[in-house]
Amino acid sequence: NAGVTQTPKFRILKIGQSMTLQCAQDMNHNYMYWYRQDPGMGLKLIYYSVGAGITDKGEVPNGYNVSRSTTEDFPLRLELAAPSQTSVYFCASSYSDRLYHSNQPQHFGDGTRLSIL
Amino acid sequence: DAKTTQPTSMDCAEGRAANLPCNHSTISGNEYVYWYRQIHSQGPQYIIHGLKNNETNEMASLIITEDRKSSTLILPHATLRDTAVYYCIVRVGSGYNKLIFGAGTRLAVHP
Repeated sequence: NAGVTQTPKFRILKIGQSMTLQCAQDMNHNYMYWYRQDPGMGLKLIYYSVGAGITDKGEVPNGYNVSRSTTEDFPLRLELAAPSQTSVYFCASSYSDRLYHSNQPQHFGDGTRLSIL
Repeated sequence: DAKTTQPTSMDCAEGRAANLPCNHSTISGNEYVYWYRQIHSQGPQYIIHGLKNNETNEMASLIITEDRKSSTLILPHATLRDTAVYYCIVRVGSGYNKLIFGAGTRLAVHP
């Protein structure tokens, strides 16, 4: 099982450049998330999506954009890269049955390590 | 979501049980306790979760006190590969599945 796949694994950007971090899951999960993790810190939620066509902001959304056109894919876009966005980015997915309030755990990808110089 | 408090670091000898405590004194009646771990720089890995009953799976056991204000994650026979940062998280078990990661406990398993 592939689970949650993130690409690229590493990337170096110059200030002001843009890029898209890719995330795909093959578990038919309806919920998907983007987190960032700065050195020595816990994860912080950037954006999340409860299904195709629906996205919402997390704790630290500034400087990022997302879209969810399919159930499987949830790309994260950096439009104008800044040094403060140097971090490790994790994508995750989970299944939530809103009718019965299921609480399934999140499954994480292996991350994208992004440096902005 | 309720706040959790964990020790910064712990040590454990290989083959012994590792008991990782977590305080969540402000937990609400509908909030679950989740445990994740992060090995080196990999993505967090789900371990176990529970509401009020003790839970066990192939990875670990979760003991929740009767008043639900604290819990303990037990790794029954720790191995070197269990060296990781362990996160205790409480959240409402419905809808938007938001996880708030604190600093966690850095567990070092030594030979």
